[in-house]
Amino acid sequence: GAVVSQHPSRVICKSGTSVKIECRSLDFQATTMFWYRQFPKQSLMLMATSNEGSKATYEQGVEKDKFLINHASLTLSTLTVTSAHPEDSSFYICSALKRTRGGALFGANVLTFGAGSRLTVL
Amino acid sequence: QQQVKQSPQSLIVQKGGISIINCAYENTAFDYFPWYQQFPGKGPALLIAIRPDVSEKKEGRFTISFNKSAKQFSLHIMDSQPGDSATYFCAAMEGGGFKTIFGAGTRLFVKA
Repeated sequence: GAVVSQHPSRVICKSGTSVKIECRSLDFQATTMFWYRQFPKQSLMLMATSNEGSKATYEQGVEKDKFLINHASLTLSTLTVTSAHPEDSSFYICSALKRTRGGALFGANVLTFGAGSRLTVL
Repeated sequence: QQQVKQSPQSLIVQKGGISIINCAYENTAFDYFPWYQQFPGKGPALLIAIRPDVSEKKEGRFTISFNKSAKQFSLHIMDSQPGDSATYFCAAMEGGGFKTIFGAGTRLFVKA
């Protein structure tokens, strides 16, 4: 099956520092990955679409200078929260698209999610 | 038009009962409808999915019913168990998954 590893699962940092979160597709190549932010008891909010070898596409209202995304290889995308502040504290989740190879959903692109990263900015 | 409306917001079901979560969409360009299960502090995991040319799909205790003309789809969890207690998100995808719209989520609690 498709596995997406996200690291770290929890990070606590001081205000003003930068934090990097990694998202790796372990058993498949992902040309496209997505980054989400999830507030307590709410749905996933898409922040940006990460494309291997090109600039990320950010959703409206997401500061690209605050949330730096790099997708340097087919298996790794990183999200760096720069100069983090307490309001950036949240649960960040990545996902990757994988094309299915068999079964009833043959040929469909399936979203596989990482386990998420809980960021707390003091 | 891009919204996916999900209901109910929360649901309490007795062990062994049937849990039903409903979703509705507007955009007829959506071509893939997955359901995700999320436990606290974890990322969502794909539970079951359906294409719009199929009216029903069953995998174990989980069934998706799809009504294309009404633009509605629902998740049925048969013989609900306490371990099913989680948040469930419906989603609608188009463009091969490059655009995915999530429902607001349903928090399910199965009482033992």
